[in-house]
Amino acid sequence: SAVISQKPSRDICQRGTSLTIQCQVDSQVTMMFWYRQQPGQSLTLIATANQGSEATYESGFVIDKFPISRPNLTFSTLTVSNMSPEDSSIYLCSWGQGWNEQFFGPGTRLTVL
Amino acid sequence: TQLLEQSPQFLSIQEGENLTVYCNSSSVFSSLQWYRQEPGEGPVLLVTVVTGGEVKKLKRLTFQFGDARKDSSLHITAAQPGDTGLYLCAGEVAPGNTGKLIFGQGTTLQVKP
Repeated sequence: SAVISQKPSRDICQRGTSLTIQCQVDSQVTMMFWYRQQPGQSLTLIATANQGSEATYESGFVIDKFPISRPNLTFSTLTVSNMSPEDSSIYLCSWGQGWNEQFFGPGTRLTVL
Repeated sequence: TQLLEQSPQFLSIQEGENLTVYCNSSSVFSSLQWYRQEPGEGPVLLVTVVTGGEVKKLKRLTFQFGDARKDSSLHITAAQPGDTGLYLCAGEVAPGNTGKLIFGQGTTLQVKP
């Protein structure tokens, strides 16, 4: 299966700033997803990002706060805008295939001071 | 409302013991996956079950999908310290075709030598 990478792996940011997380897949994939996870806890879907269309956001997540780009079939970015300490979390991207199987990147650990 | 109830949330056992993790819902799932996640990494897909009553084995791990496709279990025989991690069940509510997964709360397993 395609290998997925993320960067940065971790960052410490000041409140009010924005951070863009990049997700790269080594082959073309149709569906990509962005999740948020508190350490040791479950995953919450932020949005689905398909190439050629606007991202679809889940309840509680809005485009102004989490703008997503999907310029081609191998790359996506998630920006966490105007950050506050409540945005401190692990952010994960994944790609999907077949019977809803998803393959995840290693995650970006974000700390907002 | 949590669509996928996973239990137990924490489990600490001695090496060699057996354990079972449960994933229950009132909804029917078109497919269900089990993932394992280690600290600092993304979840890794262990198995996908799609047919009611299906049983799959992966070495010492046995996965079962309920007849009504509303529940699943993961049984580990003779657990080893290398089995330590966060186990997550996830599925797409039928009829599906969105690619979106709902995750259970996760089970943190610690296997002591």
